[in-house]
Amino acid sequence: DTEVTQTPKHLVMGMTNKKSLKCEQHMGHRAMYWYKQKAKKPPELMFVYSYEKLSINESVPSRFSPECPNSSLLNLHLHALQPEDSALYLCASSPDHAYNEQFFGPGTRLTVL
Amino acid sequence: AQSVTQPDIHITVSEGASLELRCNYSYGATPYLFWYVQSPGQGLQLLLKYFSGDTLVQGIKGFEAEFKRSQSSFNLRKPSVHWSDAAEYFCAVEAYNTDKLIFGTGTRLQVFP
Repeated sequence: DTEVTQTPKHLVMGMTNKKSLKCEQHMGHRAMYWYKQKAKKPPELMFVYSYEKLSINESVPSRFSPECPNSSLLNLHLHALQPEDSALYLCASSPDHAYNEQFFGPGTRLTVL
Repeated sequence: AQSVTQPDIHITVSEGASLELRCNYSYGATPYLFWYVQSPGQGLQLLLKYFSGDTLVQGIKGFEAEFKRSQSSFNLRKPSVHWSDAAEYFCAVEAYNTDKLIFGTGTRLQVFP
């Protein structure tokens, strides 16, 4: 299996909802990433997990809460989001941190009403 | 600080024509360079990468890129463009021993039949 999967593909939520995004890879990769991408912009790094430990948090608001239950799975818990949080959320993985290309999932298109 | 510049926001070519997308980076040491492609609403796919060695690297889908240290460039080329190459192209650099990819702003490629 050489792909990163993300669910759901699309998500619409209200500002008071709690939802979660899921990312999974079975390539044995030990680093996993969350990115946020607005239209016509490059991806912006949010979080990095290395060996299931949070290694980078790019000053992301606390309404976004990442979780790495095991080496194959990465979640992003969402709570009290704002309309400006609407974006494509991309997950990626790499064999190890540093020097390795990242493999991206197809993304979750999030709309906050 | 490291940075990546893609001077061309939008490029239009005819099918069958040659293509060159420009990428310039700012980084003191030897950079680790990547080109990714993103179709609308999709994740990013790695086209090619440069870590060291031969400065002309071959990638998937008939793409190649040349690393020129003297010009701080890593331009992407394809001798004959296909309509399916229409997409957004991102150049990226990974700084030494970090988990971060720094993306350029992207170049949108449009292909006319």
